[in-house]
Amino acid sequence: GDSVTQMEGPVTLSEEAFLTINCTYTATGYPSLFWYVQYPGEGLQLLLKATKADDKGSNKGFEATYRKETTSFHLEKGSVQVSDSAVYFCALSAKNAGNMLTFGGGTRLMVKP
Amino acid sequence: DSGVTQTPKHLITATGQRVTLRCSPRSGDLSVYWYQQSLDQGLQFLIQYYNGEERAKGNILERFSAQQFPDLHSELNLSSLELGDSALYFCASSPGTGKNTEAFFGQGTRLTVV
Repeated sequence: GDSVTQMEGPVTLSEEAFLTINCTYTATGYPSLFWYVQYPGEGLQLLLKATKADDKGSNKGFEATYRKETTSFHLEKGSVQVSDSAVYFCALSAKNAGNMLTFGGGTRLMVKP
Repeated sequence: DSGVTQTPKHLITATGQRVTLRCSPRSGDLSVYWYQQSLDQGLQFLIQYYNGEERAKGNILERFSAQQFPDLHSELNLSSLELGDSALYFCASSPGTGKNTEAFFGQGTRLTVV
């Protein structure tokens, strides 16, 4: 079945450091790919998405590129802020599965001032 | 605010009991999804309804059931509760069922079984 694997955390960075959170997936067909963010005590919010190969999703300084050849969707940000501290989830949605999301295990990011 | 409302926010109950979690989707959204977030299993899809009909089923236990009502709100019923059912239960909604459609999540119901 479909699956998403993302790097385990926690990832601890200093403010203004470069962030990469790796995400790879296994799916039949051509899924859509998403990054969701969960701030403490809150639900999940969509951060960005990409719906086809080579698409780049971007939002709030975060970027991720849909790489079909490597089945990856790595999340990057050039300069993190303390307010970016949260748990980040990579997810996919497959055509033959309605719009249900298959999530990775989540990566906790901690940014220190 | 995602527009998805879940009640209650917190629930503490004893083993063997039954509880009902409620979800009101965003205005106009026809699809409702239920997810369970636990420390050991991560985020798992439970079940999806679209316009009152069950559309997809994931890792949902037989002790759990759900339904979507004509006004599109949904309820997740959990019965014969066990300690391992303690988790955060999220509801999400989307306008349709296409794979490109964004799902909007509520803030979750934290269930503690004691």
